Amino acid sequence: GQSLEQPSEVTAVEGAIVQINCTYQTSGFYGLSWYQQHDGGAPTFLSYNALDGLEETGRFSSFLSRSDSYGYLLLQELQMKDSASYFCAVRDGDNFNKFYFGSGTKLNVKP
Amino acid sequence: NAGVTQTPKFQVLKTGQSMTLQCAQDMNHEYMSWYRQDPGMGLRLIHYSVGAGITDQGEVPNGYNVSRSTTEDFPLRLLSAAPSQTSVYFCASTDGASGEETQYFGPGTRLLVL
Repeated sequence: GQSLEQPSEVTAVEGAIVQINCTYQTSGFYGLSWYQQHDGGAPTFLSYNALDGLEETGRFSSFLSRSDSYGYLLLQELQMKDSASYFCAVRDGDNFNKFYFGSGTKLNVKP
Repeated sequence: NAGVTQTPKFQVLKTGQSMTLQCAQDMNHEYMSWYRQDPGMGLRLIHYSVGAGITDQGEVPNGYNVSRSTTEDFPLRLLSAAPSQTSVYFCASTDGASGEETQYFGPGTRLLVL
């Protein structure tokens, strides 16, 4: 099977930088995705890493280390609107068409 | 483009009742899927489809049926609802043919089974 671990909750202040970690165990690996979900809303795609290294998209960056089975989402210049839950996700290593999500990290941004 | 749409937004059922959750997408995506989300847990895959006429089970398929007669629609059926099926249900689609990773989610259906 596949498993992903994330911290359940993180708190940071407006304007700060926060890192949300994700460690995964999969029988095979294609890449790591990140999604954002505001309370009561639908998940929205943020980023995808298939290769080691850092991918930057505006204030958000995502990092992957395949050798460590580890990735993180980095949010810079935090804004109140970044308060949401963040999920990492992988494809099933044995079945490309199946996706598995972590249990999510709730980010609280304080003024 | 409306993207992924789901109906109804809210539903209350009694144990044993049946219902169908509707999902449609207008992006011509081949891949569609259903997830359930429970408090404190991530999204868990119920069923998925890689194209019209092709469906398969996900991580938590028991108690749910699906069919895919068209590219656009992917309904989820609960044949005999149970309180354990109280959850938020999300439908998603992906342009699987191009290797795209982005899953586009619908707004969700909040289901309460009494």
